[in-house]
Amino acid sequence: GENVEQHPSTLSVQEGDSAVIKCTYSDSASNYFPWYKQELGKRPQLIIDIRSNVGEKKDQRIAVTLNKTAKHFSLHITETQPEDSAVYFCAASNSGGGADGLTFGKGTHLIIQP
Amino acid sequence: DAGVTQSPTHLIKTRGQQVTLRCSPKSGHDTVSWYQQALGQGPQFIFQYYEEEERQRGNFPDRFSGHQFPNYSSELNVNALLLGDSALYLCASSKWTSSDTQYFGPGTRLTVL
Repeated sequence: GENVEQHPSTLSVQEGDSAVIKCTYSDSASNYFPWYKQELGKRPQLIIDIRSNVGEKKDQRIAVTLNKTAKHFSLHITETQPEDSAVYFCAASNSGGGADGLTFGKGTHLIIQP
Repeated sequence: DAGVTQSPTHLIKTRGQQVTLRCSPKSGHDTVSWYQQALGQGPQFIFQYYEEEERQRGNFPDRFSGHQFPNYSSELNVNALLLGDSALYLCASSKWTSSDTQYFGPGTRLTVL
């Protein structure tokens, strides 16, 4: 089955700086890669996703890049703000018709220092 | 437009007991997936229901079972509870035909004593 590795487990950045979280996946058939943000005690919320026919996607301060050859995808957050502090999860699935079960990484705790 | 809802919010059980958790999908969605999230870990896929049938299953024992009703809502049942079943149980809804994004409910926090 699919295996998703996520790094780093904790990331501390100064407010206003950029943050980058990296994930690798094992199953070359995976074609859907969402990123979720989870605040303490809350549900995971989708922040951005990318499909394998696209190399990069951007939404305001958030961007995701995908390298299918290397089986690697990354989340980039620019101009970080205090409200960006949370745990971020990457995930992968082989979305071949239905919305398949997602395989998640172990998460990155992002800390924004004032 | 209601989002994904789950009940109950919290539940405390003892080892060996059985539990049923409930999920109502987002309006317009017909597929429900269940995940287990242990403390400090990412969610782990349990199974997925569409058209009242289990369509996919993760690496969970058959103590974990489910059901989907004609109105697309779903139940997760866990029998013979173990201490290790203590976790946040999340359901996510989506639309089967569009391979769409999965939206999560608030979860049910299960504690097994």
